[in-house]
Amino acid sequence: DIQMTQSPSSLSASLGDRVTITCRASQDIGNYLTWFQQKPGKSPRRMIYGATNLAAGVPSRFSGSRSGSDYSLTISSLESEDVADYHCLQSIQYPFTFGSGTKLEIK
Amino acid sequence: QVQLQQSGAELVKPGSSVKISCKASGYTFTSYDMHWIKQQPGNGLEWIGWIYPGNGNTKYNQKFNGKATLTADKSSSTAYMQLSSLTSEDSAVYFCARATYYDGTYYPSYWGQGVMVTVSS
Repeated sequence: DIQMTQSPSSLSASLGDRVTITCRASQDIGNYLTWFQQKPGKSPRRMIYGATNLAAGVPSRFSGSRSGSDYSLTISSLESEDVADYHCLQSIQYPFTFGSGTKLEIK
Repeated sequence: QVQLQQSGAELVKPGSSVKISCKASGYTFTSYDMHWIKQQPGNGLEWIGWIYPGNGNTKYNQKFNGKATLTADKSSSTAYMQLSSLTSEDSAVYFCARATYYDGTYYPSYWGQGVMVTVSS
């Protein structure tokens, strides 16, 4: 199975900060990487697909990038509504696998 | 718009089975895979498998072979997942999620609200 190593597991940042979360794939997954946001008690919401494509309705402060086997989700200027868990998903090979998640909080 | 309405929370006994549902609306049910994902409290997400309601084809994570069975009813646009021989390790929230196509693959994109299954005597 492809392992998705996500870091950090938790992150505390100030409003307005630039925040970056990373997933590293254990095998080549091309751009088959999706980022989800999950607020407490809610279901995951697709934020980024194809590693770099912003999903419809997602604020432009969110972006996705790739460097080799490292995939990053960046929030350019943190807002209070961004407090959530973030998950990455690889969908190139079965079984699909998720990262272990990152809990983002406001400092 | 795509909507997935899942059934209510379940409290079930060890060794029993449970069947949860996911009613789809806002799109052609038979044209998209329906994925199922498990989330244990405080844990990450785990992919269980998918069903293609158009023809009933399925794909499972080997880890869930014998544990989860996916079915779909085209007449009611409802997908189902049955979990059998339940243990405490099956206590979790289970999500259905409709697939979206990207560059030759389909990945879970629109999610239901989740069903909490609690296994306890």
